[in-house]
Amino acid sequence: QQQVKQSPQSLIVQKGGISIINCAYENTAFDYFPWYQQFPGKGPALLIAIRPDVSEKKEGRFTISFNKSAKQFSLHIMDSQPGDSATYFCAASEDSWGKLQFGAGTQVVVTP
Amino acid sequence: DTGVSQDPRHKITKRGQNVTFRCDPISEHNRLYWYRQTLGQGPEFLTYFQNEAQLEKSRLLSDRFSAERPKGSFSTLEIQRTEQGDSAMYLCASSLGLAGIQETQYFGPGTRLLVL
Repeated sequence: QQQVKQSPQSLIVQKGGISIINCAYENTAFDYFPWYQQFPGKGPALLIAIRPDVSEKKEGRFTISFNKSAKQFSLHIMDSQPGDSATYFCAASEDSWGKLQFGAGTQVVVTP
Repeated sequence: DTGVSQDPRHKITKRGQNVTFRCDPISEHNRLYWYRQTLGQGPEFLTYFQNEAQLEKSRLLSDRFSAERPKGSFSTLEIQRTEQGDSAMYLCASSLGLAGIQETQYFGPGTRLLVL
């Protein structure tokens, strides 16, 4: 039973465009929401993370929007570049020691 | 490179054989996690260590699976009597855990297991 639901499964965006990935959760005990980026043959790498006490966090071209009442959060990739082509996973955890529950992933392809 | 390392990177085995994977966490990281990732899915939590103590095991971790972290340094994950359903990427992550504070988990490159 997947505790974090992620959509879309894949998306194609042109260079310079905006990629938007959405995630939803049910467990209100979750209090940490990271996004990971994974390239083929590599382990996931932390991209950006947010806690539920803020509604938005921006780091460079990556922004997380968080809606606590709707139990949803999303990743926006601005000015998408071919090097951003990867699989992106949202995740959530409820404990300070951080067992992560991952979404199923979104494969992003940025075309030149 | 001082990241998380895993060995071997790839393993092909026949059904019924035992396999063992090793994970070396980032130096001084006291927390170590094992996850399993199948094709097209996100990683699934298997087990977690704080120092040498194994604090939680997922229901995914059947009695054929055992993990250890002697002396709180490297960790091993052993799968006995492998089955074709065990074919997956096994990921290790580590973090510097401070009480009550969420810390970033750094993942290794994974060990890809194929059971024939």
